[in-house]
Amino acid sequence: DQQVKQNSPSLSVQEGRISILNCDYTNSMFDYFLWYKKYPAEGPTFLISISSIKDKNEDGRFTVFLNKSAKHLSLHIVPSQPGDSAVYFCALRSGNTPLVFGKGTRLSVIA
Amino acid sequence: GAGVSQSPSNKVTEKGKDVELRCDPISGHTALYWYRQSLGQGLEFLIYFQGNSAPDKSGLPSDRFSAERTGGSVSTLTIQRTQQEDSAVYLCASSLGQLETQYFGPGTRLLVL
Repeated sequence: DQQVKQNSPSLSVQEGRISILNCDYTNSMFDYFLWYKKYPAEGPTFLISISSIKDKNEDGRFTVFLNKSAKHLSLHIVPSQPGDSAVYFCALRSGNTPLVFGKGTRLSVIA
Repeated sequence: GAGVSQSPSNKVTEKGKDVELRCDPISGHTALYWYRQSLGQGLEFLIYFQGNSAPDKSGLPSDRFSAERTGGSVSTLTIQRTQQEDSAVYLCASSLGQLETQYFGPGTRLLVL
């Protein structure tokens, strides 16, 4: 039974438009939420995070939104660039427990 | 740059053989993690080392899997009597502390024939 779900395996977006990646979870004890980005043949790299006391965190073109009542996390990238094409994983934890990752969404930004 | 390094980058082995995968964490990072990613799946936590504390082995899928971390630095993940379902990318990550950002290595791609 998956605690963390990324229901869209892939997403295609036109360059310059907004990319929205979604992540749903079932465990209300999760209190820290992260997004990682992964290029082929490389390890994941940390992108942005948010704690459960906030509902939005912004870093340049990247914004993470947290809706605790809906147990929903999203990552917005605007404007999208071809270099953003990668697999994006959400990762969640509760206190000091290990991170639980989603299966990832492959984003393709088309020039 | 002195990032997390892993070796070998690729490993092909026969069913029943033992394999050892190595991870060199970022210098000064006290926390070290092993994950695996099977085809079409997310990252699955295997084991976690923090300083001199006993490791958290709660993610190891069977007793064929073990890991050690020598001198608080390099770690080796050992898989005994490999099975075809062990085929995956094995990723290592390190962080300054338990709740700090994890930095990942490029992974070892293991194929068990």
